[in-house]
Amino acid sequence: DTEVTQTPKHLVMGMTNKKSLKCEQHMGHRAMYWYKQKAKKPPELMFVYSYEKLSINESVPSRFSPECPNSSLLNLHLHALQPEDSALYLCASSFINQDTEAFFGQGTRLTVV
Amino acid sequence: SQQGEEDPQALSIQEGENATMNCSYKTSINNLQWYRQNSGRGLVHLILIRSNEREKHSGRLRVTLDTSKKSSSLLITASRAADTASYFCATDARYGGATNKLIFGTGTLLAVQP
Repeated sequence: DTEVTQTPKHLVMGMTNKKSLKCEQHMGHRAMYWYKQKAKKPPELMFVYSYEKLSINESVPSRFSPECPNSSLLNLHLHALQPEDSALYLCASSFINQDTEAFFGQGTRLTVV
Repeated sequence: SQQGEEDPQALSIQEGENATMNCSYKTSINNLQWYRQNSGRGLVHLILIRSNEREKHSGRLRVTLDTSKKSSSLLITASRAADTASYFCATDARYGGATNKLIFGTGTLLAVQP
């Protein structure tokens, strides 16, 4: 199984809502990533988890809260988002500390209204 | 954070022609990777070149890496309409010695006309 599964595929939420994005992989990868991508822009790194611990936070606002409950799952909890947070949110995973590719999910298209 | 600049930003060619995309980056890397993205969905890995390698081939893809100039190029030979997509370089640097930090360049939008 070489898939990274993200749910939901699409999400519309109000600025006062709380929602969560989910990501799952079963490739034994111990590095997991969240990226944000705006239209016609490259993916921007948000968070990296290594061995289920947060190792990189690229100065992301606290209204985005990541969680890695186990080695296969990665969540991104969303609260009090702004319309400018509307974007494609991509999850990825890879082996740690090796010259190897990252596998990406298909993303969650988030719209904040 | 953004590591690399790619050029051109957009490239339009005819089927059968070759397409070349360039990537420049700023810091030391462990490897450089190229990814493809169709219509704003997930990214697909194309090829990885390690920092101690200079050239690598995979099918119709040829990648070069010049660490002294901090630059890489991706050549797609005999292009097909199905190659139409956005192409991104991504640099992989070991953050804190252990964590992979994969940072993407600005991307090239390739359009292959049938």
